[in-house]
Amino acid sequence: AQSVTQLGSHVSVSEGALVLLRCNYSSSVPPYLFWYVQYPNQGLQLLLKYTSAATLVKGINGFEAEFKKSETSFHLTKPSAHMSDAAEYFCAVSRYTGGGNKLTFGTGTQLKVEL
Amino acid sequence: DVKVTQSSRYLVKRTGEKVFLECVQDMDHENMFWYRQDPGLGLRLIYFSYDVKMKEKGDIPEGYSVSREKKERFSLILESASTNQTSMYLCASSFSPGTSSYNEQFFGPGTRLTVL
Repeated sequence: AQSVTQLGSHVSVSEGALVLLRCNYSSSVPPYLFWYVQYPNQGLQLLLKYTSAATLVKGINGFEAEFKKSETSFHLTKPSAHMSDAAEYFCAVSRYTGGGNKLTFGTGTQLKVEL
Repeated sequence: DVKVTQSSRYLVKRTGEKVFLECVQDMDHENMFWYRQDPGLGLRLIYFSYDVKMKEKGDIPEGYSVSREKKERFSLILESASTNQTSMYLCASSFSPGTSSYNEQFFGPGTRLTVL
């Protein structure tokens, strides 16, 4: 069964510093992977997705993620954090079950950005 | 823009009440989903539907049921609400062409349900 593990439920960075949010996956088939962001009191918004086209995926708001099969990882990065990046981030893996695609989510990482 | 709307942002109900949470999407998506979100647990799938009148249990279906009479609308029903169902409920929808797994899900703003 597919699953994802997010290391670190809370991450704190200074404004302008590198953001690194970790996600490791487990999948018996080539995975499709996603990063979503949730701002306070809102639903989830897609940041980026990996669909096997390219291992380095660029998303919205300056975020990117690199798929590393050898490490079963899909870590999310941003070179320079902004105060507006403070939110909760979820990694997810997709699987097709015959009736449709389902997502299995990680437990989330709360990102805090300090001045 | 894809839009997924949920009937209420905040809801307060009493133990034992029957609760309906409604979700509507405007993109003609085949798939619709209900999740609950709890701190430290992430999102957990309650039920999903891949076609009108079709439904499939997710990971935590106990205490819930669903209804999908029209393609654009997916309802979550708590037959007899309990305090442990106090949570954030998120609806999502997605397009599903054939066997592709990569289609993203689009989420509604969520309903924060409190059961007293």
